[in-house]
Amino acid sequence: QLQLQESGPGLVKPSETLSLTCTVSGGSISRSSYYWDWIRQPPGKGLEWIGNVYYSGSTDYNPSLKSRVTISIDTSKNQFSLKLSSVTATDTAVYYCAGRHYDILTGYDGFDIWGQGTMVTVSS
Amino acid sequence: AIQMTQSPSSLSASVGDRVTITCRASQGIRNDLGWYQQKPGKAPKILIYAASSLQSGVPSRFSGSGSGTDFTLTISSLQPEDFATYYCLQDYNYPLTFGGGTKVEIK
Repeated sequence: QLQLQESGPGLVKPSETLSLTCTVSGGSISRSSYYWDWIRQPPGKGLEWIGNVYYSGSTDYNPSLKSRVTISIDTSKNQFSLKLSSVTATDTAVYYCAGRHYDILTGYDGFDIWGQGTMVTVSS
Repeated sequence: AIQMTQSPSSLSASVGDRVTITCRASQGIRNDLGWYQQKPGKAPKILIYAASSLQSGVPSRFSGSGSGTDFTLTISSLQPEDFATYYCLQDYNYPLTFGGGTKVEIK
């Protein structure tokens, strides 16, 4: 059974780059039926989709963050990563990595795997 | 981006009550909608995919309906473990967008 675990600094200074890694265990990240996504949740607020990466390396980003976001995948390490540049206090949030399972044959489309989430605070 | 308007933003209900949460999309999204449950300090958990398909392992008291722009999540008989926040998510196109959430509280 696939499991995800986020890792990275819990505190980032304003104007610097937030970097997080998600490690996939229990199976290969190189499966065609999954997209690997990042989603965040500011304290006390709702969920925001950041973007995703496919095992091929192709990406999609939220236009609201696109100029600052890079998501990449390392299939040799079974990991994918998030970089968010020029952070401000508004980027303070719990960051989740998640796997979106997509199966055109069955019609399944949903985030059925989530990491536990990691709190990232932007503060000097 | 497609906007997802979820209502109500919160509700109070008793154990055994029937609860209905709605989500409206700013444009048609076929049936490309999921419902997620989130408890405090935990990651969301998928309940429904493709608007009305029940995720494996999710109790049958949860059901979803709708197509196009209007969708509903129904809990037929609220249980103590169902007190949580619920989100809809459109996966029709990018960027994926969530509804604002509905917090279900104990009356």
